[in-house]
This record gives sequence, C-alpha cells and structure tokens, in this order.
Amino acid sequence: AIQLTQSPSSLSASVGDRVTITCRASQGLSSALAWYQQKPGKGPNLLIYDASNLESGVPSRFSGSGSGTDFTLTISSLQPEDFATYYCQQFNTYSQMHSFGQGTKLEIK
Amino acid sequence: QVQLQESGPGLVKPSQTLSLTCTVSGGSISGGSYYWSWIRQPAGKGLEWIGRIYSSGSTNYHPSLKSRVIISVDTSKNQFSLKLSSVTAADTAVYYCAREVLRLRPGDYYYYMDVWGKGTTVTVSS
Repeated sequence: AIQLTQSPSSLSASVGDRVTITCRASQGLSSALAWYQQKPGKGPNLLIYDASNLESGVPSRFSGSGSGTDFTLTISSLQPEDFATYYCQQFNTYSQMHSFGQGTKLEIK
Repeated sequence: QVQLQESGPGLVKPSQTLSLTCTVSGGSISGGSYYWSWIRQPAGKGLEWIGRIYSSGSTNYHPSLKSRVIISVDTSKNQFSLKLSSVTAADTAVYYCAREVLRLRPGDYYYYMDVWGKGTTVTVSS
C-alpha cells in the first residue's frame, strides 16, 4: 500500500504568512493527489485535485504543486479562516483503496 | 448541489453491529461515474478510509476492516449504508460519508472526494 507522509505534523504561523505543507508518497503517484481542509467539528473540504487544480470556490491564495512522490500545498497569505488541519489523499488504482496523510495542523502563532 | 447526510445510532454496545446510512440529496446516487465512500475519524486523529460502493453494488474495502464491513446501496431511496460488526471501543469515531469523483487522465485514472457529509459521532460503550 502507498503511504503518504505529511510534514510538518503541526505548524504555527501568523496572519499574512506564506506557509507550505509537504506530502511525500512512498511510491510515485504521477499527479493523482488531492488536498483537503478540515476545521474543528466539520467534515473535510476539497481544496485541490490533480495536485494543482483548485476546486471551484476555493480562494486563489491556495495552490498545489508536485508530481511523482513529492507534493506541496501553499497558502500565499494566511487568513484567519485558514487555521485548520490539512490532509493529502491518494487513490491506488491497483488496490482500489484510498489513503490519507496523517494531517498537518495549522495553528495561530 | 449534492448534499450528504449521515444518520444512525450514536451509541453501540461492544460486540454489536454499527449501522449507519448516508442519504444523498440534490442528485441521484445512480447518476454519473461516482463512487460513494465511508471514512472515519477517531477523536483527535486523522482520517481513515473504510470502503466504497458504486450504484451497481460493486464494493471495495480497507483490508484491515474487510472482515467486519458491509457497504450496501439502495438506489430507490438514494441511500447507501455501512454495517460494521463486532465493534470495540477502537471503532469509536466520527463517521463521514463522501462522494468520489472519477478523474480520467491519459493512461490512468483516480478518484477524489468532492462532497462530504457533516459526520456523525458513534461511541462504542456498554
């Protein structure tokens, strides 16, 4: 099974900061990766698919990049509503299984 | 737009079967190339995928749960359901249902989840 490892596990930042979260896959994924945001008490919300395509309605300060085994989610200028936990996700076409990274909690400094 | 809503008992006794239903509104569970998934999240922990179903009834399950899980679909009610047997305290979690979108690319494909329910908390306790 493909493992996804996110780093860092937690991150403290200030409003206006630029932050980057990394997701590393144990095997190459081409660009078949999605990113989600989850706020406390809520279900996850899709941000990015295909590693870099912004879901409709998601602010343009969010961006994704990468291919193969290394992917990044960048928030260009943190807003108060961006403090949340972020997950990467991949689908394995051989096993027909989904897996998620362990999450990155973004907290206010 | 499509919305998903989980429902079911919030408390289940150890060794019994957890049963949840996800109701799809704003669209047909049979329309399009969608799969429908169950995911869970223990308090303070990450997301764990449980399994998925297509409207035809085709399923895939996480290997670690496969022996205890059954996911079924009722297209007439626009619902899909989760049954998890022989539960223990380790099955206590928030359970989410989600819609999976098929993404076709040259030479391959994959699925990601574009719509999620709000989640329902299930506690396993006597």
